[in-house]
Amino acid sequence: DVKVTQSSRYLVKRTGEKVFLECVQDMDHENMFWYRQDPGLGLRLIYFSYDVKMKEKGDIPEGYSVSREKKERFSLILESASTNQTSMYLCASITSRGRGYTFGSGTRLTVV
Amino acid sequence: RKEVEQDPGPFNVPEGATVAFNCTYSNSASQSFFWYRQDCRKEPKLLMSVYSSGNEDGRFTAQLNRASQYISLLIRDSKLSDSATYLCVVNIYGGSQGNLIFGKGTKLSVKP
Repeated sequence: DVKVTQSSRYLVKRTGEKVFLECVQDMDHENMFWYRQDPGLGLRLIYFSYDVKMKEKGDIPEGYSVSREKKERFSLILESASTNQTSMYLCASITSRGRGYTFGSGTRLTVV
Repeated sequence: RKEVEQDPGPFNVPEGATVAFNCTYSNSASQSFFWYRQDCRKEPKLLMSVYSSGNEDGRFTAQLNRASQYISLLIRDSKLSDSATYLCVVNIYGGSQGNLIFGKGTKLSVKP
């Protein structure tokens, strides 16, 4: 079965900390994505990557960066966490033949 | 105009009822379409793809109207376990390229 694994389900970080969210997929997919989901705002794309070492900005990249050093791993980095980055973060990998995404189980980040 | 629009609901229906959700999309070049289901505090999961000819999976029927740019999801004989948020999703590029555009979801609550 296809699997996208996010390293943490819940995280609490302090304002100003550097935060790493890790995502690993076992499907050998080129395309990976990071979203955040907030009540009333739906899913918003932060960054995505089409291949190793490639990255593209999504709709809301400010305050975030990403790293794709290996095909299976896509990391989201909050350079200096702020309270408005408290959210649910979802990683996804697109299935072959465009049959939609498989999501990781999400990381609920709270910045205090 | 928003790219993918859905009625947020909630739709409150009794068990056994038939319920239908519609979704409109703005980009006429959209290639592929999906319905996702998201349970409370969980990640979205692919419910079904939507094909031009319409498709059915058990109690669920999806339809696509390209001329009017909308897709629909019909749930027959609703179960308590159908309670969730249903996300309408559009892929502009098709295949495994590009990223998916998500609606904000329609909340369904099935009551005993």
